[in-house]
Amino acid sequence: EVQLVQSGAEVKKPGESLKISCKGSGYSFTTNWIGWVRQMPGKGLEWMGIIYPADSDTRYSPSFQGQVTISADKSITTAYLQWSSLKASDTAMYFCVRQGGGGFDPWGQGTLVTVSS
Amino acid sequence: DIQMTQSPSSLSASVGDRVSITCRASQGISTYLAWYQQKPGKVPKLLIYAASTLQSGVPSRFSGSGSGTDFTLTISSLQPEDVATYYCQRYNSATFTFGPGTKVDIK
Repeated sequence: EVQLVQSGAEVKKPGESLKISCKGSGYSFTTNWIGWVRQMPGKGLEWMGIIYPADSDTRYSPSFQGQVTISADKSITTAYLQWSSLKASDTAMYFCVRQGGGGFDPWGQGTLVTVSS
Repeated sequence: DIQMTQSPSSLSASVGDRVSITCRASQGISTYLAWYQQKPGKVPKLLIYAASTLQSGVPSRFSGSGSGTDFTLTISSLQPEDVATYYCQRYNSATFTFGPGTKVDIK
C-alpha cells in the first residue's frame, strides 16, 4: 500500500524554527515528486512547493518562495518542510502529497502546526 | 500566473439531484486538471485527473469533463455521503494551483 506518514502535531512560539516530516512507503520514493499543501483554519487548499527526491530538484509556489524550505532524504524515504522563524500566520494544517501521473495521491494524514505566544 | 476559479462557491441540493460544479482557468491548461473531495475534518481525496479520468475506487456517479479553460465536475445523483468541499487543481508546468473550493450540502 502506498502511504505517506507525517510527523505529529506541533505547538511553537513565534520566532522559533520547525521541521516537519513525511515518510513514504509502498512505492519507489525517488520516482515521484513529493509536495506540500497548506490549509489554514476554515480555508482552502494552497500548494506550497514540490521536490523530486532523486535529485532534490525543488519548485516553490511564488506565495511560499523564501518563506519555507522543502528538502528530502532519499536514503530514509522522507521529505521535510521547515521554517526558520515561525509566525502566528503559519498556524495551519500541512499535508504532504505524492504527485503521480495526474493529481496528488495519496495524501499524508496532515500535521497541525500551531504558533502562539 | 494562471488563476483558477470555481462556481458556485456553495450549493445545496436534494438527495438524488444532479449537481454540477464549474472550474475555470485564466489560461488554457489542456486537460491538466484534477478534482478533489474533502469531507469535513478529513484529508482531501483525489476524485478525477486528466479532467475526466476517474481515480480507482471512486463511485461512477462522479464524472469530469472539459479542456482548455472550462471544466465541470458532475455528481449524477447526489448522496448524503457526498457532503464535502470540492476543489479543482491545475497541474501543468510544474505548478499545482487549487481553485477556491465549492461547498456541497444536502437540502
